[in-house]
Amino acid sequence: ELKVEQNPLFLSMQEGKNYTIYCNYSTTSDRLYWYRQDPGKSLESLFVLLSNGAVKQEGRLMASLDTKARLSTLHITAAVHDLSATYFCAVLSAVGKLIFGQGTELSVKP
Amino acid sequence: SAVISQKPSRDICQRGTSLTIQCQVDSQVTMMFWYRQQPGQSLTLIATANQGSEATYESGFVIDKFPISRPNLTFSTLTVSNMSPEDSSIYLCSVAGTSGGDIQYFGAGTRLSVL
Repeated sequence: ELKVEQNPLFLSMQEGKNYTIYCNYSTTSDRLYWYRQDPGKSLESLFVLLSNGAVKQEGRLMASLDTKARLSTLHITAAVHDLSATYFCAVLSAVGKLIFGQGTELSVKP
Repeated sequence: SAVISQKPSRDICQRGTSLTIQCQVDSQVTMMFWYRQQPGQSLTLIATANQGSEATYESGFVIDKFPISRPNLTFSTLTVSNMSPEDSSIYLCSVAGTSGGDIQYFGAGTRLSVL
């Protein structure tokens, strides 16, 4: 059974600092997603990572995928308050289901 | 991309009643998914709805409690039956993108409170 684990679950950062959120998964998959959820809102797609070594960047966020280690990272550079949200990774299972991690609640403080 | 309209956006319901949530997509999609997000929790897949066949339910979810309809390739409904306060959650529908299916898109969600 595919399991997806994120850490940390809660992250309080100061503006301007860098940090990384980790996403580990238990079985082979060829597709990993990162989503952002603001309080009371639905999920916004950030990145789709399709292959080993894939790296994607958008603004202050950069996501990478290591399929051999079954690990994805979401790196935050020079955090700003607008990045405060909950971030989810999700992995596509062999039967086409999207399995979500627990989410990382990020709070960026001045 | 796919645009998903979900309604109602929120509702407050009495124990023992049922609520039907509608999900409309702006393009034809093979599979539609229904998720539940309990307060402060991650998303859990309830079922996968395929047009022309019965929905496939995940462990812990049953058709009598969460009947699903999928009458065509752009529409689906999820009913939460005989509700109890434990059913208070956000319910989201989702579809895979039509361009190679790389991205899974989500509706805005239905915020359900059961008193």
